[in-house]
Amino acid sequence: DAGVTQSPTHLIKTRGQHVTLRCSPISGHKSVSWYQQVLGQGPQFIFQYYEKEERGRGNFPDRFSARQFPNYSSELNVNALLLGDSALYLCASSLKVFRTRDYEQFFGPGTRLTVL
Amino acid sequence: GQQLNQSPQSMFIQEGEDVSMNCTSSSIFNTWLWYKQEPGEGPVLLIALYKAGELTSNGRLTAQFGITRKDSFLNISASIPSDVGIYFCAGPSNTGNQFYFGTGTSLTVIP
Repeated sequence: DAGVTQSPTHLIKTRGQHVTLRCSPISGHKSVSWYQQVLGQGPQFIFQYYEKEERGRGNFPDRFSARQFPNYSSELNVNALLLGDSALYLCASSLKVFRTRDYEQFFGPGTRLTVL
Repeated sequence: GQQLNQSPQSMFIQEGEDVSMNCTSSSIFNTWLWYKQEPGEGPVLLIALYKAGELTSNGRLTAQFGITRKDSFLNISASIPSDVGIYFCAGPSNTGNQFYFGTGTSLTVIP
């Protein structure tokens, strides 16, 4: 079975541009979460979606948005890119949300975003 | 938000040595998780802890849920080169709508 897949692998943008990152969860998983990992730091939680609804949001500005589709895949959108948005963006899928014991998250390899 | 602080920040050890690392929080956690991340990959879950005082093993790895619920410990026995990576503690908020990772402990094993 395929694991969590993310696209693109790498991306270079300039300040002020917009970016869309994509994630396909493990088959049967209904929850997708997004994380930002700046070099040398731990992942920072951005969003969790379950059954197409937002179930959690981290401390990120409104420039960050996401959605989940009927097939449970997800997109993360970032508007008006800043240099500080340069990071590895990780997607994780799980059967359920964080409140339950079945929320073990399986991570994709990430999308490396560089903002120039 | 909650801050999870890990120590040490980095470790350089000889193959065969035992390793200990810990994670502390300013707030209570009801679940503690330990992940390992290797270069170019996402974190992989190693051990999950659900009850204060709980001690859980996974092969050469042993983790404990601190009785104060504000800390957790991870031990690796008889380290091998493939143990190299960054180890993160993590856990969901008590409300279940946030998820926190620690600052990480980078482990280097010298053959």
